[in-house]
Amino acid sequence: EDQVTQSPEALRLQEGESSSLNCSYTVSGLRGLFWYRQDPGKGPEFLFTLYSAGEEKEKERLKATLTKKESFLHITAPKPEDSATYLCAVQARELTGGGNKLTFGTGTQLKVEL
Amino acid sequence: DTEVTQTPKHLVMGMTNKKSLKCEQHMGHRAMYWYKQKAKKPPELMFVYSYEKLSINESVPSRFSPECPNSSLLNLHLHALQPEDSALYLCASSQERDFWKTQYFGPGTRLLVL
Repeated sequence: EDQVTQSPEALRLQEGESSSLNCSYTVSGLRGLFWYRQDPGKGPEFLFTLYSAGEEKEKERLKATLTKKESFLHITAPKPEDSATYLCAVQARELTGGGNKLTFGTGTQLKVEL
Repeated sequence: DTEVTQTPKHLVMGMTNKKSLKCEQHMGHRAMYWYKQKAKKPPELMFVYSYEKLSINESVPSRFSPECPNSSLLNLHLHALQPEDSALYLCASSQERDFWKTQYFGPGTRLLVL
């Protein structure tokens, strides 16, 4: 069974204090790993898709990396507006009838303080 | 444009009511999804439609009835719900023909069942 584990569950940073979020996965045949940001009471906002080990993607203060067993979301010099829950999800197989099934981790709740 | 819209934003209903949630996308995506998300939990897949046909039903109770009238619209009909069905209901869509199939989420409908 596909499993996705995120750590830490919660993280509190001072503004400008860089850190990393971890997403460990156990799947057979990874087809894609996705990072989303979710604000309270809102839908997940897509950030990155990573396809293969060694790949990296960047967007503003965020950088996502992927190895064969885990992914990291690095946050450089965070600001209070980066406060949100960050969700990791994996796609491990095609669905017979179409579409794809994402297996989500439980998320990391990030709080950035002034 | 990667916008998925959902209506209503909030819904309060009694256990004997019948209501519907609506979702719309104009990205030309041919796969659409319904998720349920409880507080501090990741989204859970309920249904997948691919080319307007129900592809996956994740053993969801029959009091939830999905409908896909056309490739841009997705409805979720609700009937005789229970208080434990209170949650954030998320719609998502993905480009069926893209191998990696990034899913884009709507803002969600916050449902309260009394």
